[in-house]
Amino acid sequence: DAGITQSPRHKVTETGTPVTLRCHQTENHRYMYWYRQDPGHGLRLIHYSYGVKDTDKGEVSDGYSVSRSKTEDFLLTLESATSSQTSVYFCAISRRAIWDYGYTFGSGTRLTVV
Amino acid sequence: ILNVEQSPQSLHVQEGDSTNFTCSFPSSNFYALHWYRWETAKSPEALFVMTLNGDEKKKGRISATLNTKEGYSYLYIKGSQPEDSATYLCAFVAGANSKLTFGKGITLSVRP
Repeated sequence: DAGITQSPRHKVTETGTPVTLRCHQTENHRYMYWYRQDPGHGLRLIHYSYGVKDTDKGEVSDGYSVSRSKTEDFLLTLESATSSQTSVYFCAISRRAIWDYGYTFGSGTRLTVV
Repeated sequence: ILNVEQSPQSLHVQEGDSTNFTCSFPSSNFYALHWYRWETAKSPEALFVMTLNGDEKKKGRISATLNTKEGYSYLYIKGSQPEDSATYLCAFVAGANSKLTFGKGITLSVRP
């Protein structure tokens, strides 16, 4: 999607290894979010950020950490990957407060933990 | 954890049929309701953001209504086309500082 890119697009990793996913935006949006998408669960919020160095937990944050040192980058780290973290991860950005504008989503990262 | 329900889970219609979906959400502490369209192998795209009871939004053949007092929103597609085949997500915001809680989505398949 224009203005927001996720990397890598696909990754296979071994259980117990750390993994970092990157979300990069060129829209200068303040709000950034990480979601995971699993069959039967829809999109679930992992962590979000409302500014540089300002982050907070979502509903499924255990086993994940995030960092935002620049407006344009929001990193999601799986500290020690487990098979339950096999999922498709989506980053989203929002220009203003969530009630005003819809989110713009990245193309997703498919992560497989073996 | 907020409960956002969407029904039906999936729908198969013939080209030209009109269809509608329901999104149910808690009626207390309502702030906003979003609808997204998600095509296979792509990422979700925002259709509507609705904030006021009685809101009606329209984009081409797709429209949505909102009833915050009873906690539901309808999405209508008039004269479905094969390119309307996608998953339609609704997402609820409770309170000014809350985040989106997504429903599980409704998968629409339109047969030519």
